[in-house]
Amino acid sequence: SAVISQKPSRDICQRGTSLTIQCQVDSQVTMMFWYRQQPGQSLTLIATANQGSEATYESGFVIDKFPISRPNLTFSTLTVSNMSPEDSSIYLCSGNRGNGPLAVAFFGQGTRLTVV
Amino acid sequence: KNEVEQSPQNLTAQEGEFITINCSYSVGISALHWLQQHPGGGIVSLFMLSSGKKKHGRLIATINIQEKHSSLHITASHPRDSAVYICAVRWRGNTDKLIFGTGTRLQVFP
Repeated sequence: SAVISQKPSRDICQRGTSLTIQCQVDSQVTMMFWYRQQPGQSLTLIATANQGSEATYESGFVIDKFPISRPNLTFSTLTVSNMSPEDSSIYLCSGNRGNGPLAVAFFGQGTRLTVV
Repeated sequence: KNEVEQSPQNLTAQEGEFITINCSYSVGISALHWLQQHPGGGIVSLFMLSSGKKKHGRLIATINIQEKHSSLHITASHPRDSAVYICAVRWRGNTDKLIFGTGTRLQVFP
């Protein structure tokens, strides 16, 4: 199974600043995703990270707030920009191994972000 | 109404008890995942099912495609099983993405 290393594992940030979260996969994955999990809530998909091109954002999420890079098949970053306390959440990256209905999903360890 | 619903939302048990967590979904799916999330936030994939039943150690997962229902069972529960268990489905209409349930928080006491 693939291993996804995500860092930082947690951070406390001042409002108005930005934080970049990194995910490194130990082997190639076909697709990578970024999720947000607000306190007590389920995972919400922010965007699909596309290799070498702009990410595909879900409704309610925009590139200016959550810029994403994926320069190759094994690495991606998510930046949370101009943070406010409402951005306090767990952020998770995920990768698919394989395509289609039986693709196996792998997850990073999560980044617990607190904005003060 | 959520497309993926889990029950119960919270569950407490004594060590050794048999645990069942349920997941119902309303969309056509190609696969269902059971995930375990520990307090730090990281998620581990426990099972991926498209039919029938799978077993791994003390964990058993079943799915009934016709009834749109899956269950996760933990036999001889242990305090280290304490975590949030999340059901996620791969929707037949877009197999790239997962749709997540809200999770079941399990606490097992010694």
